[in-house]
Order: sequence, then structure tokens, then C-alpha cells
Amino acid sequence: DVKVTQSSRYLVKRTGEKVFLECVQDMDHENMFWYRQDPGLGLRLIYFSYDVKMKEKGDIPEGYSVSREKKERFSLILESASTNQTSMYLCASSSPVGVNIQYFGAGTRLSVL
Amino acid sequence: GEDVEQSLFLSVREGDSSVINCTYTDSSSTYLYWYKQEPGAGLQLLTYIFSNMDMKQDQRLTVLLNKKDKHLSLRIADTQTGDSAIYFCAADYGGSQGNLIFGKGTKLSVKP
Repeated sequence: DVKVTQSSRYLVKRTGEKVFLECVQDMDHENMFWYRQDPGLGLRLIYFSYDVKMKEKGDIPEGYSVSREKKERFSLILESASTNQTSMYLCASSSPVGVNIQYFGAGTRLSVL
Repeated sequence: GEDVEQSLFLSVREGDSSVINCTYTDSSSTYLYWYKQEPGAGLQLLTYIFSNMDMKQDQRLTVLLNKKDKHLSLRIADTQTGDSAIYFCAADYGGSQGNLIFGKGTKLSVKP
């Protein structure tokens, strides 16, 4: 069964902290994505990666960075967390072969105080 | 650029049919998708339709695609309280990096 696992369901951090959100997929997918979801704004793409060590900015990359050292793992980093980064973060993966279905993790709800 | 639009809310009574609508801007989309998000969870693929099809049916779900009007709909027959969720429409424009364009989501509330 297809699985995308996000390391935490809930996270509470303080302003200025460095925050790591981890995502692991077991489907050998080349493509991985980080989104944030806010009420009324839907999903907004932060960063994506189409191969190991490759990354591309999405629509809202400011304040975030990513790391993809291994094919199965894609990390989102908040260098210095701010209150406006309080949100639901969703990771997804997909294969470039066949129908382009993105498989999502359960999400991490991050609160920055 | 490409855009996908859908209304934000829909309320129906249990047992009725629900119809969630979506419009997209770019006719070059290859596949169109419907995802479901239950409270506190990630998105789960419900169904998808290839752009050369008009209709796809899967049990209680019917997807209709009108390419001329760039309009996609999802009909849920005999809606149940368990169908209460946010439904996202998404379009694939065929880029090799797998990006999808998502709508903002329609929150479906099913009243008993």
C-alpha cells in the first residue's frame, strides 16, 4: 500500500526557532512536494523536488528551505519560525510515469507562538 | 497562468445528490482530478478523468467533463454524513515535474 509519512501530526514551536518537518515515502517516487494549507486559501505550493538534491521554488518559498539528500525523504525547513507560518503542512509524492497522481501524507499542524 | 476555481461551500441533506463544480482556465490540461480531505487528514484521491473523456462513473461518484466550457463536476449520489469533507479539484498540464494546479476546495456539509 502506498504510504507517505510525515514525522509529526502536531508541532508547537516558538518564534525564531529553526523547525524541521520530515516526509518519507515508500513508493520510490521521483517527485516530492511541500504545500501549506490555510482556510480560504486552499493548497499553496512551497517547494518541490524532482530528483535527489534537486529543488524548485513553488509559489510561496519565502521563509522556507528544503533538503532532499535521499530519494525517499524530503525535508522542509523553517529557518526562523514566525507566527505567520502557523499552518497545516502537507507533503506529497508522485511518479513521472503514467497518470500523475499525487499521494499525500496526513499533514503536520504547526503552531508558532 | 493556469487557474482552477470552485465554490467554497455546499450544504446538502443526507440522501440527496451533491454536485460540486470546478472550472479551469487552460484547455491543454491532460488529466483532471478530484481529491477528498476529511477533517484533520491529508488529501486522498477520489477519482480522475482523462481530458478526452466526457464522463466517468465509479459507484456513487460521477465525473462530468465539458471541455468546451472548461467545466468539471463531481456528483455524489445518495450523499451520506461520511461524505462531509473538503473536495479539491486539480488539473494536470503535463509538466514533467508533476505539478498539479489545485482549486481552493469545496467544503461539503451533509445534514442528517
